[in-house]
Amino acid sequence: DTVLTQSPALAVSLGQRVTISCRASKSVSTYMHWYQQKSGQQPKLLIYSASNLESGVPSRFSGSGSGTDFTLTIDPVEADDIANYYCQQSNELPFTFGSGTKLEIK
Amino acid sequence: EVQLVESGGGLVQPGRSLKFSCAASGFTFSDYAMAWVRQAPKKGLEWVATIIYDGSSTYYRDSVKGRFTISRDNAKSTLYLQMDSLRSEDTATYYCARHRGISYVMDAWGQGASVTVSS
Repeated sequence: DTVLTQSPALAVSLGQRVTISCRASKSVSTYMHWYQQKSGQQPKLLIYSASNLESGVPSRFSGSGSGTDFTLTIDPVEADDIANYYCQQSNELPFTFGSGTKLEIK
Repeated sequence: EVQLVESGGGLVQPGRSLKFSCAASGFTFSDYAMAWVRQAPKKGLEWVATIIYDGSSTYYRDSVKGRFTISRDNAKSTLYLQMDSLRSEDTATYYCARHRGISYVMDAWGQGASVTVSS
């Protein structure tokens, strides 16, 4: 299985830029997607295929990477961005998710 | 508007069965592959199963193979997950999700339905 590794938590000040990383145990090409999950809610797609912004998602979210190293950037961070962020690969079965990064506000 | 509404959760004893349904609306259900993803309490997301648009192929994570069955009724725009021989480690919120395109990204999610497996 492809293991995705994320940092458990990040603290950032409002208005600043934050980068959330995801490292895959093997290449997933650009079959990497990012989801936001707020407390008590279902996940929401933010970025698909590494760098494509999902329709309706604010442009302060962006994604980059290919192969094994990927990043989700939020710039600037707003209070509404407090959530868990998950990366997910669909390059091979089983589809796998990272363990999630909890974004906290300083 | 795309909507996915799960139903069928509850409390069940180990070894027993339960079936989730997911009613889809706002899109042509028969055009899309669909998935179930679960989340144990206070844990991360875990893909469970996928079924392609016409139901002819299904895929499962190893831990549920032989116990869970994903199926669909395109005439009713409904996705199902039959869960047999339930274990305590199956306790989770189960989300249905729509796959989009060849990347199989999950672009729409239901609100989730929960199962607790306990004696």
